Amino acid sequence: AQSVSQHNHHVILSEAASLELGCNYSYGGTVNLFWYVQYPGQHLQLLLKYFSGDPLVKGIKGFEAEFIKSKFSFNLRKPSVQWSDTAEYFCAVSLWGYQKVTFGTGTKLQVIP
Amino acid sequence: SAVISQKPSRDICQRGTSLTIQCQVDSQVTMMFWYRQQPGQSLTLIATANQGSEATYESGFVIDKFPISRPNLTFSTLTVSNMSPEDSSIYLCSAGVQGVPEAFFGQGTRLTVV
Repeated sequence: AQSVSQHNHHVILSEAASLELGCNYSYGGTVNLFWYVQYPGQHLQLLLKYFSGDPLVKGIKGFEAEFIKSKFSFNLRKPSVQWSDTAEYFCAVSLWGYQKVTFGTGTKLQVIP
Repeated sequence: SAVISQKPSRDICQRGTSLTIQCQVDSQVTMMFWYRQQPGQSLTLIATANQGSEATYESGFVIDKFPISRPNLTFSTLTVSNMSPEDSSIYLCSAGVQGVPEAFFGQGTRLTVV
């Protein structure tokens, strides 16, 4: 069964610091990869997605992620975080051609002004 | 893309009662799913709602507790039966369109059982 691992459960950063959240998945087949964000008290929102092509994908709000197939990784990055980025971030994977999504355990990001 | 509407958006229910959550999609979709997000936890798939047949449940979830209907290609319901405080969660509906790998999510139903 496919699984998704997020290494950091809770990250605290100061504003303007750089962010990298790790995500690894375990499945040898072709996958679709996602990062979702959930702001406090709000619903899930899609940050970015990778289906194929350029392994460096750019999403909303200055976020980007890089798919490294050999490492089964899809790490999320942002060069300079803002207080408004305080949220929980979920990495997720689905099998190519299917929309059933497996989520990682989530990373709570706290940005200190 | 597909726009998904869930009703109710939130509810507070007495233990021992049941709540039915509705999910309406604005276009015909191939797949529909129900997820649960317990407080402080990630999202866990409950089941795949199959049109015209019984839902496919994930390990740990059973039909008696979470009966699901999908009478057509745009609508599904999830019932949380005989509720206990442990059922307090956000329940999310998701839908997928043939040929589009991305799944779309509703805004969720925040359920509190007292």
